[in-house]
Amino acid sequence: NAGVTQTPKFRVLKTGQSMTLLCAQDMNHEYMYWYRQDPGMGLRLIHYSVGEGTTAKGEVPDGYNVSRLKKQNFLLGLESAAPSQTSVYFCASSSLSGVSEQFFGPGTRLTVL
Amino acid sequence: RKEVEQDPGPFNVPEGATVAFNCTYSNSASQSFFWYRQDCRKEPKLLMSVYSSGNEDGRFTAQLNRASQYISLLIRDSKLSDSATYLCVVHTGGFKTIFGAGTRLFVKA
Repeated sequence: NAGVTQTPKFRVLKTGQSMTLLCAQDMNHEYMYWYRQDPGMGLRLIHYSVGEGTTAKGEVPDGYNVSRLKKQNFLLGLESAAPSQTSVYFCASSSLSGVSEQFFGPGTRLTVL
Repeated sequence: RKEVEQDPGPFNVPEGATVAFNCTYSNSASQSFFWYRQDCRKEPKLLMSVYSSGNEDGRFTAQLNRASQYISLLIRDSKLSDSATYLCVVHTGGFKTIFGAGTRLFVKA
């Protein structure tokens, strides 16, 4: 099993450009999450999904959109990138909410110039 | 005040030492508690869950003190491979899981 995979691993964007980050999991988990991690701060939840076709806002959703058309995939979109979105983005999945382990992907390092 | 607070460290300890980290949380209704480990430039991975009765996994012991609202992680006989950042994670209900900023540990030979 690959677990949770993310593409791309690295990306540099110019302000105003758009991009999509792809997350895939092969553990048949219902719950999927997108986080960002910035220096000196904990992981912050951007959006999450409780199942195929559902999405919800997390703590810091502004400037991002998500879609979960298939159970195994969770896409994060940046519509118009800003330098404040320079961060490391992690996708995670879990079988249950809150009480079970979250499995993380390797992360995407995004720089917005 | 942050919902989950950790001493950022770094903690610099020699091999074989015992080291302890504390983490405080603000929401008294918090339900589940975890310690995750994150290696440099890698993803977080679950180290252990923290139960009300405390739990031990080899050299690692986790404790929960609900009255004082903190959890702790004790590492005995530190190894070089224990060098990492340790994240305190608190689930407060629904989909609200709060990650602490982490405590960095360096174990030196």
